[in-house]
Amino acid sequence: QVQLVQSGSELKRPGASVKVSCKASGYSFTNYHMNWIRQAPGQGPEWMGWINTNTGNPTYVQGFTGRFVFSLDTSVSTAYLQISSLKAEDTAIYYCARSVGSENWFDPWGQGTPVTVSS
Amino acid sequence: SDELTQPPSVSVSPGQTARITCSGDALSKQYGFWYQQKPGQAPAVVIYKDTERPSGIPERFSGSSSGTRVTLTISGVQAEDEADYYCQSPDSSGKSWVFGGGTKLTVL
Repeated sequence: QVQLVQSGSELKRPGASVKVSCKASGYSFTNYHMNWIRQAPGQGPEWMGWINTNTGNPTYVQGFTGRFVFSLDTSVSTAYLQISSLKAEDTAIYYCARSVGSENWFDPWGQGTPVTVSS
Repeated sequence: SDELTQPPSVSVSPGQTARITCSGDALSKQYGFWYQQKPGQAPAVVIYKDTERPSGIPERFSGSSSGTRVTLTISGVQAEDEADYYCQSPDSSGKSWVFGGGTKLTVL
């Protein structure tokens, strides 16, 4: 079945970097684009942007430029989110989600990767 | 504005009908989508393109749209439906996704 499996939880110091992986299975990876979504504690989801899985071209939403990088390794059907210069306010659960349908809604989502930034 | 507004909470007794609304200017031109999120789990789509129900979603879940509002209706609510529900739509430009603030459905 279609599945997105993300890497495990991370605890990082301020200023460090983190790389979250999202491994897809059950479908052709390059046929569907990938989104990244942040959910801060007690908050709703916030769309960070998406990456074209054919070209590798990323699109970032305002507020997620500069320190955030989307990338791919199509040989292993995996998408990555890297965040550099971590701040306490980056503490959140990060989800990947596949774009589907004519309107590109999100289905399925990965299980989420909690990232905690604390000194 | 491209914001989506939802009531923070809705409470119903088992077997009753729950209606969760989502309002936003973009909804007059764009489709609405609904996601269910249970504690400790990722969101999952329950309604797409205003009214469509994915396979595997119970028939008691339905969606409707009117003007700048979309509504998620859960008929015959069950205890397992207790969750947070988020609406989503493209912004008015169609180039960005926006989520509502979420509605916590409590089954009394």
